[in-house]
Amino acid sequence: AQSVTQPDIHITVSEGASLELRCNYSYGATPYLFWYVQSPGQGLQLLLKYFSGDTLVQGIKGFEAEFKRSQSSFNLRKPSVHWSDAAEYFCAVESGSGNTGKLIFGQGTTLQVKP
Amino acid sequence: ETGVTQTPRHLVMGMTNKKSLKCEQHLGHNAMYWYKQSAKKPLELMFVYNFKEQTENNSVPSRFSPECPNSSHLFLHLHTLQPEDSALYLCASSQEGVYGYTFGSGTRLTVV
Repeated sequence: AQSVTQPDIHITVSEGASLELRCNYSYGATPYLFWYVQSPGQGLQLLLKYFSGDTLVQGIKGFEAEFKRSQSSFNLRKPSVHWSDAAEYFCAVESGSGNTGKLIFGQGTTLQVKP
Repeated sequence: ETGVTQTPRHLVMGMTNKKSLKCEQHLGHNAMYWYKQSAKKPLELMFVYNFKEQTENNSVPSRFSPECPNSSHLFLHLHTLQPEDSALYLCASSQEGVYGYTFGSGTRLTVV
């Protein structure tokens, strides 16, 4: 069965420091991968997605993620974190092909930003 | 505003009450979803509708009853809920052939 693991439940970084959030997936075929961000009391906002092609994908708010098939990973990165990036981040994989309606989420990583 | 609107934003209900959550999208999407987000748990897919037809029911208890009258509207009817049903209920929509969902801001439900 498809699954997504985010090994870090909580991460704290200093403002201006670099950030990497880890995501590992289990999926038999080529996965469709996503990163979402959720601010307190809000829904989820799509940061970026990977379907095929270039394994380094750029997203909104200065985020990027790299798909590494050999490691079954899709880690999210940002070179310099801003205080407004404090939120919960979810990695997700879409199983099946086309619009099957099965986005499988990881448990999420809470990011805290220190001044 | 994401294009997916959920009402109400907050709801407190007793275990014997009946209430409904509403989700509306005017993005032209053909699929809509209900997710449940509980503390310290991954998001759980509850129901999927494609072109108004339910295509997924993820073993959800019958006290949750979805309704999709058209491609733009989705309801979740609630009755005789339990305290453990307290959670953030998120609605999302997507378009066939375009991957990734657009989420609403959710309804924070508290069952007392």
